[in-house]
Amino acid sequence: DTGVSQNPRHKITKRGQNVTFRCDPISEHNRLYWYRQTLGQGPEFLTYFQNEAQLEKSRLLSDRFSAERPKGSFSTLEIQRTEQGDSAMYLCASSFPLAGRVTGELFFGEGSRLTVL
Amino acid sequence: GQQLNQSPQSMFIQEGEDVSMNCTSSSIFNTWLWYKQDPGEGPVLLIALYKAGELTSNGRLTAQFGITRKDSFLNISASIPSDVGIYFCAGQLRYNTDKLIFGTGTRLQVFP
Repeated sequence: DTGVSQNPRHKITKRGQNVTFRCDPISEHNRLYWYRQTLGQGPEFLTYFQNEAQLEKSRLLSDRFSAERPKGSFSTLEIQRTEQGDSAMYLCASSFPLAGRVTGELFFGEGSRLTVL
Repeated sequence: GQQLNQSPQSMFIQEGEDVSMNCTSSSIFNTWLWYKQDPGEGPVLLIALYKAGELTSNGRLTAQFGITRKDSFLNISASIPSDVGIYFCAGQLRYNTDKLIFGTGTRLQVFP
């Protein structure tokens, strides 16, 4: 399978626990994005990386959230001291600018669904 | 966070009917895209539009980039059961980033 891979697909945790999600992008894609999607809403941008550099973070990404892409390949999204409001689908996407042109065409993974009890 | 306004919120149609949905924004976008999301899956790109006024087709799907650059439309002709899902519009604010602003979604149900 050469698509974007995310795991775990589902995570149920108690409030206050830490959780970590992993994303493996399409191998030749140098840009990686994290989005959050709550029930009945469209995806909302959290952060993105070009190679290993984190270039932009949304105000939605509180201090309890941290994302890394240490070698410019896979990425992790960690949420510390989870709250019930963190319950959502966390989507990862990747892209590769064609001829240096960023097209907005994202390839999404299947998402990691987080439920905080 | 910021989201685009999509309408209608949901549609229930019979197989074979045509479908129209639209997306509006108070901001000007450089690119408009339409994605489809099936339950438990991530969104999948259907159509991308790059110029104001552009009309683009992908099989039974046709989308348009509004002249004002603040809206976009998606039409599906002769709907079939596998068209069921949630359709999201998305806009790209700046050329140098794939950071997208998504719409609130249109849920489509197709009855045989």
